Amino acid sequence: DIQMAQSPSSLSASVGDRVTITCRASQSASTSLNWYQQKPGKAPKLLIYAASSLRSGVPSRFSGSGSGTDFTLTITSLQPEDFATYYCQQSYSTPPTFGGGTKVEIK
Amino acid sequence: EAELLESGGGLVQPGGSLRLSCAASGFTFDSYGMSWVRQAPGKGLQWVAAISGGAGDSANTYYEASVKGRFTISRDNSRKTLFLQMTRLTADDTAVYFCAKGVDRWEDAFDIWGQGTLVSVSS
Repeated sequence: DIQMAQSPSSLSASVGDRVTITCRASQSASTSLNWYQQKPGKAPKLLIYAASSLRSGVPSRFSGSGSGTDFTLTITSLQPEDFATYYCQQSYSTPPTFGGGTKVEIK
Repeated sequence: EAELLESGGGLVQPGGSLRLSCAASGFTFDSYGMSWVRQAPGKGLQWVAAISGGAGDSANTYYEASVKGRFTISRDNSRKTLFLQMTRLTADDTAVYFCAKGVDRWEDAFDIWGQGTLVSVSS
């Protein structure tokens, strides 16, 4: 199985800040890497797929990059509605696996 | 608008069984691969099982190692419904169970999620 490690596990940031979350795979996931946002008590929402493709309807302040084993989710100018937990997920091999999550909190 | 709605969760004793359902609407259900993903209380996401899409009776199924042999994923395309039959449940199976649609194949990113149904395994 491909293990996914996210860092940091949590961070505090202010509205307007630039936030970067890292995801590292234990072996190459090519560009089969997806990012989700989850708010408390809600289902996850797909933000980015195939490492860098922005899902339709997702604000352009979200972007993804990377390939192989190292991936990044960047949120430029953090908005109040962005405070949530973010998960990466590899869809390169079975079983699909998720990172442990990064909780973005208000500073 | 594409939607998924799970049902069937509840409290069950260790060793018991439960069947979850996921009703789909707003998209051509039989064309897409589907998965179940669970989240234990306060924990992260774990993929559980998947079933391929496409016409015909030859849907392929896939399972996470810890549930293989205990859980069975199936689909009824005529009813636009996904199922997860769970047997020999243990406390480690306690979680919110989400059904999720693959962008195209089940192996793709999960673009539509249900609201989840809680399964609690306790005596």
